[in-house]
Amino acid sequence: GAVVSQHPSWVICKSGTSVKIECRSLDFQATTMFWYRQFPKQSLMLMATSNEGSKATYEQGVEKDKFLINHASLTLSTLTVTSAHPEDSSFYICRTGSGNQPQHFGDGTRLSIL
Amino acid sequence: QKEVEQDPGPLSVPEGAIVSLNCTYSNSAFQYFMWYRQYSRKGPELLMYTYSSGNKEDGRFTAQVDKSSKYISLFIRDSQPSDSATYLCAMSAGEKLVFGKGTKLTVNP
Repeated sequence: GAVVSQHPSWVICKSGTSVKIECRSLDFQATTMFWYRQFPKQSLMLMATSNEGSKATYEQGVEKDKFLINHASLTLSTLTVTSAHPEDSSFYICRTGSGNQPQHFGDGTRLSIL
Repeated sequence: QKEVEQDPGPLSVPEGAIVSLNCTYSNSAFQYFMWYRQYSRKGPELLMYTYSSGNKEDGRFTAQVDKSSKYISLFIRDSQPSDSATYLCAMSAGEKLVFGKGTKLTVNP
C-alpha cells in the first residue's frame, strides 16, 4: 500500500487562485520531504526540500514566495501555490527523505490553471 | 553535459521480449542508484535500489551498476503489457536524487 498519501490528485482552478497540496507520511515519520514538479515528457525537477520544524530550502529559480512550503509535523508537509497562473500548470509530486534508504513518492497532483 | 542521461525512447517491444533500459552519468560521487516506474499521471514507484557497483535481481527485473563506466541498466525479462510505463533512473550521493528524463516503454500483446 501507499506509504505517502498525496491530495488532491487533480485540481482545476482559475488564474489567481491559491492551491494547497498535502502530503502525509503513513506509518512513519518523515523528517524531510522533497517537492518536485514534472512537465509533460520531462524529468522530475526538484523545487524545494522541507524539514520538519524549519524553513524549506528552495532550488535555484524557484520562487519561495510563490511556492509556500510548510512542514509543521513529522507526518504532514504542504505545498501552496499562491496566485497560480497557467504557467504553473504541472504535475507536482512529493517524496519522503530519510537518509539514503529507498524513497517513496506520493501519487502526484495534477494542477491545471485556467 | 547533463549529470544523468537517459534515452527517452519511445521503446516498443512485443510481449515476452527482454527489455534493456540504460542511463549514463557524469558525477563519480553517486553511490545510490534507483529505478522507478511511472504510470501515466501517477507518482513514480520504486522498482530497484542498489548501492555501488554490482547486480541485483528481483523477479523479472535485474539492475546492473557499472561505476567504472558510469553506466546503469535495468533488464526486464518476459515483458508484459502491464510493464508499459515510463522508467526513470535516479541516483544520489546523499539525500538529493538526480533523475533521468525517463524512457517510455510499450509492451505490445
